[in-house]
Amino acid sequence: DGGITQSPKYLFRKEGQNVTLSCEQNLNHDAMYWYRQDPGQGLRLIYYSQIVNDFQKGDIAEGYSVSREKKESFPLTVTSAQKNPTAFYLCATRAGGLFFGPGTRLTVL
Amino acid sequence: GESVGLHLPTLSVQEGDNSIINCAYSNSASDYFIWYKQESGKGPQFIIDIRSNMDKRQGQRVTVLLNKTVKHLSLQIAATQPGDSAVYFCAENGNYGQNFVFGPGTRLSVLP
Repeated sequence: DGGITQSPKYLFRKEGQNVTLSCEQNLNHDAMYWYRQDPGQGLRLIYYSQIVNDFQKGDIAEGYSVSREKKESFPLTVTSAQKNPTAFYLCATRAGGLFFGPGTRLTVL
Repeated sequence: GESVGLHLPTLSVQEGDNSIINCAYSNSASDYFIWYKQESGKGPQFIIDIRSNMDKRQGQRVTVLLNKTVKHLSLQIAATQPGDSAVYFCAENGNYGQNFVFGPGTRLSVLP
């Protein structure tokens, strides 16, 4: 079964805690992206990576961090510095267009 | 700045009718556009794309039209079915082609 997997599907976090969202792909795509989606709004870019060991900030990178140690993996850490982290987080790879994973819904309690 | 917007935030159509979802974009440098379908609680699904050297592209029951003169994009769905109910986003590749800019989406509701 190929594609993009994100885990967990639902995640709950207490205020002040860091949490890491997983994104794995077996499509052999070089570029990977993280987007945030809030209700009734479009997708906003957090971070992206064009190649292993390289990544760039998107429009709303504050309070987030990423790593790209392997081509298949692009984990996103939501830090305690992110003031409003409750959202739906989407990972994507790029081959021409963007192809999205199933998403992780993060709720801060 | 760059922006992608939609004229209609919600659209209700009768089952079997054709649907037209519109999108305006502001970045004249964009040369690649995509329509996505997103069902509740799921990730966006790639529907159809079009490059700026084309005016029209057809898929299965879907057609995308691009009018570069007025920077307008539309998605036409033929014989709309209940399974087409979802939020539809357009996206443009913006400056340098590295990232995509998304609009807020249009919710399509198919009435029985």
